[in-house]
Amino acid sequence: AQRVTQPEKLLSVFKGAPVELKCNYSYSGSPELFWYVQYSRQRLQLLLRHISRESIKGFTADLNKGETSFHLKKPFAQEEDSAMYYCAPTQGGSEKLVFGKGTKLTVNP
Amino acid sequence: DAGVIQSPRHEVTEMGQEVTLRCKPISGHNSLFWYRQTMMRGLELLIYFNNNVPIDDSGMPEDRFSAKMPNASFSTLKIQPSEPRDSAVYFCASSQTAGGNIQYFGAGTRLSVL
Repeated sequence: AQRVTQPEKLLSVFKGAPVELKCNYSYSGSPELFWYVQYSRQRLQLLLRHISRESIKGFTADLNKGETSFHLKKPFAQEEDSAMYYCAPTQGGSEKLVFGKGTKLTVNP
Repeated sequence: DAGVIQSPRHEVTEMGQEVTLRCKPISGHNSLFWYRQTMMRGLELLIYFNNNVPIDDSGMPEDRFSAKMPNASFSTLKIQPSEPRDSAVYFCASSQTAGGNIQYFGAGTRLSVL
């Protein structure tokens, strides 16, 4: 079964600093990988997925199959980036997502 | 579209009572997912449906939990009898297979079992 590790429960940075949220997954196949975000008092929503290779709100995520990692990065954090971030690979060839425990990012002024 | 709609938003009940959570997926979506979120275990998938058929219910904790999807626009998650350890936030999400499996979440139901 797919396992997802987000090693940092809490991450605190200052505005303008770079930020990296780590994610490692166990499945060695070819899962689809997603990052979801939950801002305060809002519902969980998609931030980005590896297939699209986009930058959303300044965030990017690179899939490293060798290290089975999908870390989320942003070069200059903003206060509005403060939120819970969840890494979620699919399980096997299904549409089932396995969510990590999440990382709470706080960007201080 | 109003997105995925869940009701009620909050539910407080006593141990032993039956609880029914409801979900209306986004129109046109063919997959529906029920999740439970707790501090200890994070976000866990309980069950998911595709075209109204349950595909994977391996996350359903025990027989006290059941889920139905009688049609494409409605699903229920029932807990009978409820126990204090069922207290959690329950999320429903829907997706369209042709849409790249992006799941859209409801606002959740916060359940407290006393």
